[in-house]
Amino acid sequence: GESVGLHLPTLSVQEGDNSIINCAYSNSASDYFIWYKQESGKGPQFIIDIRSNMDKRQGQRVTVLLNKTVKHLSLQIAATQPGDSAVYFCAENTGTASKLTFGTGTRLQVTL
Amino acid sequence: NAGVTQTPKFQVLKTGQSMTLQCAQDMNHEYMSWYRQDPGMGLRLIHYSVGAGITDQGEVPNGYNVSRSTTEDFPLRLLSAAPSQTSVYFCASSWSQGLRNTIYFGEGSWLTVV
Repeated sequence: GESVGLHLPTLSVQEGDNSIINCAYSNSASDYFIWYKQESGKGPQFIIDIRSNMDKRQGQRVTVLLNKTVKHLSLQIAATQPGDSAVYFCAENTGTASKLTFGTGTRLQVTL
Repeated sequence: NAGVTQTPKFQVLKTGQSMTLQCAQDMNHEYMSWYRQDPGMGLRLIHYSVGAGITDQGEVPNGYNVSRSTTEDFPLRLLSAAPSQTSVYFCASSWSQGLRNTIYFGEGSWLTVV
């Protein structure tokens, strides 16, 4: 059978470059957003989150930007490494924990 | 993944068979949920629970039952398996309160219905 994410949009970046992964969300009432990383054969792994009262949040090598006006979320990865290769999902939450709505995902391929 | 355990990892079922996917968490999280992931798609919510004794339907609940008799366990039951239920299933848990509700996922259960 098909592997998960076979037909996902793909972003290819060179090692050391910065990556920007975009996501459009649908529900203007969503107040909490999360980026997940999913490696082949594993469950989604939490990367970074942001609440709707913020525009930007930074973590280690990652930054999430939120534009509520156009309902757009982005994940920036600095100095992309081979270990960053995975499928990245954004998810939105309207208040009930564990009740997430996921985007379709973007495959990040890091080339040497 | 922090403390969410799913079993089995892989399962093949015949159409019409029933089975239960087990999920347990040891973090005393109130909230638990089940998602399915199909090729080329994000995860879709099947059922969720906000605490022991309370469950509710998600986006794609048909063909599945859940129960939450304890805080730790949230099993997902397939009553009569169909090929359309071939998917990867993920269990998740989180705290219910606070400014941030980090949601933890299990490693997944690969189910094939033939």
